[in-house]
Amino acid sequence: GAGVSQSPSNKVTEKGKDVELRCDPISGHTALYWYRQSLGQGLEFLIYFQGNSAPDKSGLPSDRFSAERTGGSVSTLTIQRTQQEDSAVYLCASSLAARGYTEAFFGQGTRLTVV
Amino acid sequence: AQTVTQSQPEMSVQEAETVTLSCTYDTSESDYYLFWYKQPPSRQMILVIRQEAYKQQNATENRFSVNFQKAAKSFSLKISDSQLGDAAMYFCAYRNPYGAGSYQLTFGKGTKLSVIP
Repeated sequence: GAGVSQSPSNKVTEKGKDVELRCDPISGHTALYWYRQSLGQGLEFLIYFQGNSAPDKSGLPSDRFSAERTGGSVSTLTIQRTQQEDSAVYLCASSLAARGYTEAFFGQGTRLTVV
Repeated sequence: AQTVTQSQPEMSVQEAETVTLSCTYDTSESDYYLFWYKQPPSRQMILVIRQEAYKQQNATENRFSVNFQKAAKSFSLKISDSQLGDAAMYFCAYRNPYGAGSYQLTFGKGTKLSVIP
């Protein structure tokens, strides 16, 4: 596709259930980022993938959060045993490289609501 | 750690008028990038303008321009001839292109801009 694609667009889940959020980056982009946007807040960095390097998971808020990137392309963010405070918009972005200036292109996000 | 502060949670402007959104940041680095992103109701973050800290000249993109004051660590966005389509959340962001965490964008909390017809 021409841009970063995220699915689902919206997700409502019950507290305690697991959810998977998907990100399909722009073809050829080696860097992929996940951010979380809580109501009234800016974007909070979660995790970063660059090529075949080990991901930087330093922004993940708890061990209930994990992410993987298969084949250097599609990424899945998994939240286990969801809590109400996990309700937020989860945004994915990709770019050509990390060093220096490269523009990060964002998807439209997944709005997660935990009830 | 770097921080980005947007002190105006909400702003409004009359159509065709000019509005300035404020942003300050804190860093000990001398070389970095600053960005303004627009987030319309579609939620997709769109890059509006960027500034490289080593460049003294303020960046401009059509109706959008910045006032970059490096010593004051200030980076404001001016929107001229405001249009209804400019209504959105605007986020200021910082990136250090070198060293650990160089891929991270640090965002402010945003300013909601309304455009009055």
